[in-house]
Amino acid sequence: GQNIDQPTEMTATEGAIVQINCTYQTSGFNGLFWYQQHAGEAPTFLSYNVLDGLEEKGRFSSFLSRSKGYSYLLLKELQMKDSASYLCAVSYTNAGKSTFGDGTTLTVKP
Amino acid sequence: DADVTQTPRNRITKTGKRIMLECSQTKGHDRMYWYRQDPGLGLRLIYYSFDVKDINKGEISDGYSVSRQAQAKFSLSLESAIPNQTALYFCATSDFNSGRGDTQYFGPGTRLTVL
Repeated sequence: GQNIDQPTEMTATEGAIVQINCTYQTSGFNGLFWYQQHAGEAPTFLSYNVLDGLEEKGRFSSFLSRSKGYSYLLLKELQMKDSASYLCAVSYTNAGKSTFGDGTTLTVKP
Repeated sequence: DADVTQTPRNRITKTGKRIMLECSQTKGHDRMYWYRQDPGLGLRLIYYSFDVKDINKGEISDGYSVSRQAQAKFSLSLESAIPNQTALYFCATSDFNSGRGDTQYFGPGTRLTVL
């Protein structure tokens, strides 16, 4: 299979930094995506990594290591509105489409 | 206006009824997807279509069927609804030639309850 593993839940404090990890099978890797989903709403695209390294976009950054089958999403200066589920998804060459992880529910506390 | 729309947004129906959920997009994307999401769980792929003449089963296609009427429209049908099909259903689109790979754009979702 093409299991994607990420922690089920995380808690952090407003203003802090949190890192959400994602591991995946490397064979046939063709791209990694992070999405944010607030409760009861649709997922929205956050980032796309296809090459190794860090992609920064405002308070959010995403890192990829293709050889290790590892990515993380880094959220800085946490705000209450960042409380949401964060989905890691990977596309593979043979399938073309993405496979989603089960998501990490992040709770930001005052 | 939203780029990906779903109708209806909410639906309550009874066991055994036939239900159709519709998805339309104005993004001009070739790829379209149907997912279901159960409380506290991730997205599970039901069907996907890479173009009008291409339809593929996802991981949980039993009990569902789809129709790709045009590039912009992808409908999901439950032939005979059952209570365990109660879930939140999402349609999504992507443009693999955009330089962003399979980045997907989701509709607002349809909340379906089967009594």
